[in-house]
Amino acid sequence: DIQMTQSPSTLSASVGDRVTITCRASQSIGSWLAWYQQKPGKAPKLLIYDASSLEGGVPSRFSGSGSGTEFTLTISSLQPDDFATYYCQQYNTYSQVTFGQGTRVEVK
Amino acid sequence: QITLKESGPTLVKPTQTLTLTCTFSGFSLSTSGVGVGWIRQPPGKALEWLALIYWDDHKRYSPSLNARLTITKDTSKNQVVLTMTKMDPVDTATYSCVHTLLKYKPYFDYWGQGILVTVSS
Repeated sequence: DIQMTQSPSTLSASVGDRVTITCRASQSIGSWLAWYQQKPGKAPKLLIYDASSLEGGVPSRFSGSGSGTEFTLTISSLQPDDFATYYCQQYNTYSQVTFGQGTRVEVK
Repeated sequence: QITLKESGPTLVKPTQTLTLTCTFSGFSLSTSGVGVGWIRQPPGKALEWLALIYWDDHKRYSPSLNARLTITKDTSKNQVVLTMTKMDPVDTATYSCVHTLLKYKPYFDYWGQGILVTVSS
């Protein structure tokens, strides 16, 4: 099984900060990685797929990069609406899917 | 507009079998590439993928739960059903159904609101 490890688990930041979240895979997954944003009591929202492709309607301050085993989600200028938990998900093996444990972005 | 909605019991007893139904609209599960899956999230914890079923009836299961899960589809009713046997209190979670457009790249662009299932005697 492919394991996904996110860091940090919690990130304290202020509005306007540049925020970076890392996701590492236990083996190479190419570019088959997605990022989701989840707010309390709500379903996750797809932000990024194929490591760096922005889902339609997602603000351009969100970007993704990486390939192989290391990936990052960057928020260029954190907005009040961005305080949430973020998850990465690999789909390298289409028959199995794995999520990271999540990164909570909280107010500093 | 794609929507998915989960239905089923919100309380089950330990050892019982859970049956959840996902009723969707805005797409057809007979369209090439399309899949519907299930993901759960225990309170305060991370997302966990459970199962996927595709338009061609290919099915995929989480290796750790494979023996307990069955996923089926009824294309005419626009429904996908997940059954999970031998429920245990650790299976208490919000169960969500999801849509994927591409069989070989199963990321999830639409999610249901989820249904909280509590396992307790």
